[in-house]
Amino acid sequence: KAGVTQTPRYLIKTRGQQVTLSCSPISGHRSVSWYQQTPGQGLQFLFEYFSETQRNKGNFPGRFSGRQFSNSRSEMNVSTLELGDSALYLCASSTRDRDEQYFGPGTRLTVT
Amino acid sequence: LAKTTQPISMDSYEGQEVNITCSHNNIATNDYITWYQQFPSQGPRFIIQGYKTKVTNEVASLFIPADRKSSTLSLPRVSLSDTAVYYCLVGDRGTDKLIFGTGTRLQVFP
Repeated sequence: KAGVTQTPRYLIKTRGQQVTLSCSPISGHRSVSWYQQTPGQGLQFLFEYFSETQRNKGNFPGRFSGRQFSNSRSEMNVSTLELGDSALYLCASSTRDRDEQYFGPGTRLTVT
Repeated sequence: LAKTTQPISMDSYEGQEVNITCSHNNIATNDYITWYQQFPSQGPRFIIQGYKTKVTNEVASLFIPADRKSSTLSLPRVSLSDTAVYYCLVGDRGTDKLIFGTGTRLQVFP
């Protein structure tokens, strides 16, 4: 069975721009979570979705938003990019809430 | 928020048992404790998950005391390929947000 896929894998943007990252979960998985990973802050929780509903949101500014579609695919958007948004953005899917999560390879975002 | 702390790094030799502890002082009452392994340039990979007492699978054991304020991942006989960063993941009692531990870099020597 195919794993979690994230597109694009690498992205370079300039400050002030906006970006949309995509995540396709494992077939049959209805829960999708997003995380930001940086050397300084480690792995930080961004969003958690289950059946198109945002179940929880991490402590990030409103510039970070996300959604989940009826086919469980998810997108996250960051508007007005800042240098500090440079990070690896990881998506994970699971069959149920808080179950074992399967992570994608991540999208490496660089903001210049 | 739940403060989840782990030792920054640990060294071991092949064949030894390694125990990595995560302290989580404000864990959600009904959430599992999950451990992940991460290699460079890859997403974390699930190792083991438990709610209380002891859980064992083919690669690791997880020990959770009754108060659930900590958990210990035990890798029975490490090999060079176990060199990676290990993270615990818990839910926060007050906010229900998912909190990753600070991560432990395990280095296994021959």
